[in-house]
Amino acid sequence: DAGVTQSPTHLIKTRGQQVTLRCSPKSGHDTVSWYQQALGQGPQFIFQYYEEEERQRGNFPDRFSGHQFPNYSSELNVNALLLGDSALYLCASSLFTGMETQYFGPGTRLLVL
Amino acid sequence: AQSVTQPDIHITVSEGASLELRCNYSYGATPYLFWYVQSPGQGLQLLLKYFSGDTLVQGIKGFEAEFKRSQSSFNLRKPSVHWSDAAEYFCAVGGSSNTGKLIFGQGTTLQVKP
Repeated sequence: DAGVTQSPTHLIKTRGQQVTLRCSPKSGHDTVSWYQQALGQGPQFIFQYYEEEERQRGNFPDRFSGHQFPNYSSELNVNALLLGDSALYLCASSLFTGMETQYFGPGTRLLVL
Repeated sequence: AQSVTQPDIHITVSEGASLELRCNYSYGATPYLFWYVQSPGQGLQLLLKYFSGDTLVQGIKGFEAEFKRSQSSFNLRKPSVHWSDAAEYFCAVGGSSNTGKLIFGQGTTLQVKP
């Protein structure tokens, strides 16, 4: 049973560019949440997708957007990249039945130069 | 405001010694509490969780945690630390008022001396 997978593992972009990160949830899960983890910090909640809609959003600007596909996989898009967007981006999957346990993927390390 | 505080940024223990990592939370509704571990360059692995019931919960790798509502704490313990336990540990809180959103502490880095 595959766990949560994310691609790519590492990415280097320059300021102003756009980036797309991808996530496949754990088998049987229907909900995907995205987190940003800056160096030396705990993860910060970006947003959560269920039934192809954004259900909750954290304190992140509109430059951060997402999408969920019918197969429950998800994408995180970041436009107009800033140096401060450099971080580990974590995807977590769960079941949408309340506060279910979230299982995390290995993350995508984004470096913005 | 909802928050999680892990007072110890860095802890060093000798292999075989006992361990306690502290976690205090602020949450208006019934909290659901979690401990995750992160090895360098890796994602987060769930160690244990508390939703309700027995306030002492057992997790993987010999870890346990105790929920104390009166102290708003959820400390993680292990009776005998192994070198492979060296990692970063995160406490997180969620709940019915914020379905799906986990609030994490800053993390505690555990170093294990031989």
